[in-house]
Amino acid sequence: EAGVAQSPRYKIIEKRQSVAFWCNPISGHATLYWYQQILGQGPKLLIQFQNNGVVDDSQLPKDRFSAERLKGVDSTLKIQPAKLEDSAVYLCASSLLSYEQYFGPGTRLTVT
Amino acid sequence: ELKVEQNPLFLSMQEGKNYTIYCNYSTTSDRLYWYRQDPGKSLESLFVLLSNGAVKQEGRLMASLDTKARLSTLHITAAVHDLSATYFCAVGMGLGGGSQGNLIFGKGTKLSVKP
Repeated sequence: EAGVAQSPRYKIIEKRQSVAFWCNPISGHATLYWYQQILGQGPKLLIQFQNNGVVDDSQLPKDRFSAERLKGVDSTLKIQPAKLEDSAVYLCASSLLSYEQYFGPGTRLTVT
Repeated sequence: ELKVEQNPLFLSMQEGKNYTIYCNYSTTSDRLYWYRQDPGKSLESLFVLLSNGAVKQEGRLMASLDTKARLSTLHITAAVHDLSATYFCAVGMGLGGGSQGNLIFGKGTKLSVKP
């Protein structure tokens, strides 16, 4: 069974630029999550989708972050414009049931 | 607001020794997860604990859950170098309402096992 796929794996941008990350969940997983993991900390949920609907985006900085999940499969997370404090690893996870989440390899973003 | 605290945050062990990592959380939950993360890698699921008194073991690692005390432990037996990694506990939010399945993570325990 293929795991959660993410791209790109690494991205370096300057502050105020835009960036987008892509996630392809495990086939059949209805729930998709985006987490932000700052160096030295645990992951923090940014947004959760159930199929193509948003379940929870309470911690998503909506003035600069946006996410979508068209057709209930792939998802993209966008940052526009980026700030220095957005430097982090962005993890995508998916789950079939609510009990266990499977994480992708992550995208390491560096904002200079 | 649910808070998850792990201790210690850093742990240096000798090979062959035993130690326990603690995970306390602030509000009721019926799901507790342990993950392992190697440097530059993603999260690997170790254990899912779903009920009070649950105990699971895999190799040299054993996890337990006491929902009344809001405490989970990850016990390491006879540590080996390959166990060096960062270990996270995460608590599941309630399955009702709009936050189904959300996980709140602790800050992680960075384990270093030395020969």
